[in-house]
Formats: sequence, C-alpha cells, structure tokens
Amino acid sequence: EVQLVESGGGLVQPGGSLRLSCAASGFSFSTYSMNWVRQPPGKGLEWVSFISSSSGTKHYADSVKGRFTISRDNAKNSLYLQMNSLRDEDTAVYYCATAFSVPESAWGLGTLVTVSS
Amino acid sequence: DVVMTQSPLSLPVTLGQPASISCRSSQSLVNSDGSTNLNWFQQRPGQSPRRLIYKVSNRDSGVPDRFSGSGSGTDFTLKISRVEAEDVGVYYCVQSTQWPPVTFGGGTKVEIK
Repeated sequence: EVQLVESGGGLVQPGGSLRLSCAASGFSFSTYSMNWVRQPPGKGLEWVSFISSSSGTKHYADSVKGRFTISRDNAKNSLYLQMNSLRDEDTAVYYCATAFSVPESAWGLGTLVTVSS
Repeated sequence: DVVMTQSPLSLPVTLGQPASISCRSSQSLVNSDGSTNLNWFQQRPGQSPRRLIYKVSNRDSGVPDRFSGSGSGTDFTLKISRVEAEDVGVYYCVQSTQWPPVTFGGGTKVEIK
C-alpha cells in the first residue's frame, strides 16, 4: 500500500525554524518527483515546493523562496522541508505529495505548522 | 503565473442528480507534446486531498465511474453523473503545465440539498 506520513509540525514563534519530514512506503520512492503543498486553516491548497527524483531540480513558490529548502534521501525513502524565518502566514497543514500528473498519486495526512507568539 | 478560476464556489445538489464544476485557466494548458496537465482533486471533510482525474480525463484507480473529466486548452469540467452522499466535500482543479508555480483553483464546495 502506498503511504506517505508527515511529521515535524508544531508551534513555533515568528522568525523560528522547523524541519518537516515525510516517510514514504509502498512504492519506488527514488523514482518519483515529490511536492510539498500547504493548506491554511479553512482555506484552499497552495503549492510550496518541488523536487525531482534525483534532487537535480528544485522549485519553490515565491512566498517561501529563500526561506524554505526542500531535500530528500532516497536511501531512507524520505522527503524533507526545512523552514526558516517562519511568518504568521506560514501557518497551515503541510502535505507531501507525489507529482501531480503521473499515473500514481499519493498524499499524506498532513502535519500542522502553527506560527504564533 | 497561471490563474485557475473555478465555478461555482458552492454547489448544492440533490442526491442522485448530476453535478458539474467548471475550471478555467488564464493560459492554455497544452504541453509541447500535446498533453495537458490538468488534474482534479477531492477533499472530503477532515481528510487529505485525493486525486480523482489526471491529465484532463484519466480516472484514478478506485474512483467511481460517475466521475468524469473533460475539456481542452483553457476550459475544463468535472462531472458527477449521480451525486452520492460520500461526494460531499471540496473539489480543486490544479495545473502543472505552465510551472513553476503549480497553481490550484480556489475550490468548489459540493453539498447535499
């Protein structure tokens, strides 16, 4: 069974840092490009970042560029999101997800990040 | 950036009746190879998003055949032939042709009358 499990969310003060993790199982993680997508409370979905299967290509939304860093460890079947200089508007549930238009699609349950003093 | 506009924002539907959601993009979503990266997701209350349709009209495994996707260029539609109670939730279109950034529509909330 394809499964993605996020962790690492929590309460952090503005200007602080968090590192999110996403553990993958049930599929050939190393061959899949991956994304982070977030959803502020009561609002819609926002794409955050993309990483190719080999980590050779990375993209970020303008709203997080220079503050967030996506990475992966294919040996550990894991995806990461390092979030620095966090702002109130970064408060959201963060999902890891496979690439959007490939035949196999999977999303995790999400992890809540709350930025507040 | 490509702007994705969904309508309606809210869609009250009678059980067993059809439903249709529109998604329009501000630019053509046709790739150089002729494919179109327009997908539809369903988010039931309290759950993660789940993809229903990829590349305009390909239904994901396990998705009931009452769901169908169609369209081309800048104009796309998700149809539910006969709405069931389990279809309640918010539906999003998303494009990954003209990216980065990947862009989502604002969502359409389907509810039962």
